[in-house]
Amino acid sequence: GENVEQHPSTLSVQEGDSAVIKCTYSDSASNYFPWYKQELGKRPQLIIDIRSNVGEKKDQRIAVTLNKTAKHFSLHITETQPEDSAVYFCAAISGGSNYKLTFGKGTLLTVNP
Amino acid sequence: NAGVTQTPKFQVLKTGQSMTLQCAQDMNHEYMSWYRQDPGMGLRLIHYSVGAGITDQGEVPNGYNVSRSTTEDFPLRLLSAAPSQTSVYFCASSYSGSTGETQYFGPGTRLLVL
Repeated sequence: GENVEQHPSTLSVQEGDSAVIKCTYSDSASNYFPWYKQELGKRPQLIIDIRSNVGEKKDQRIAVTLNKTAKHFSLHITETQPEDSAVYFCAAISGGSNYKLTFGKGTLLTVNP
Repeated sequence: NAGVTQTPKFQVLKTGQSMTLQCAQDMNHEYMSWYRQDPGMGLRLIHYSVGAGITDQGEVPNGYNVSRSTTEDFPLRLLSAAPSQTSVYFCASSYSGSTGETQYFGPGTRLLVL
């Protein structure tokens, strides 16, 4: 099955700096890569996603890049704000199935004022 | 729309007890799933369903049963709770489960097994 590795496990930045979280996946047939944000005690919520036929996608301060050859994708947050502090999860749809999301173990992002 | 709802919010069980975690959605979604979240482990898929009457196992199905008699409801049953099942459980749904569809998560159930 699919295996998703996520790094780093914790990330601390100063307000206004950029943050980058990286994920690698194992199944070359995986074709959909969402990112979820989970605030403390809350449910995960989708913040951005990318499909395998796209190399980059942006939404305001958030962007995701995908390198299919290297099987890795990254989340980029620019001009970080304290409210960006949360746990971020990457995920991939398992190859051969449209129904199984495999998640990375998460990155705790702390934005210091 | 209430979206995805889960009950209870918090539950304490003794080892060997049984219980059912409830999940319901009012968005007419065909696909529903259950995840457990443990510290440092991310979210792991327990069981999922692509429609009423159809269920399948995920990554960590042992110790859990599911059924899907209606489109709206997808309960998760623990037949004999064990301390290893202490976790936060999330239910999620999407329209059809196809690639690119957003999965919406419920608020979670925090389970403690003593």
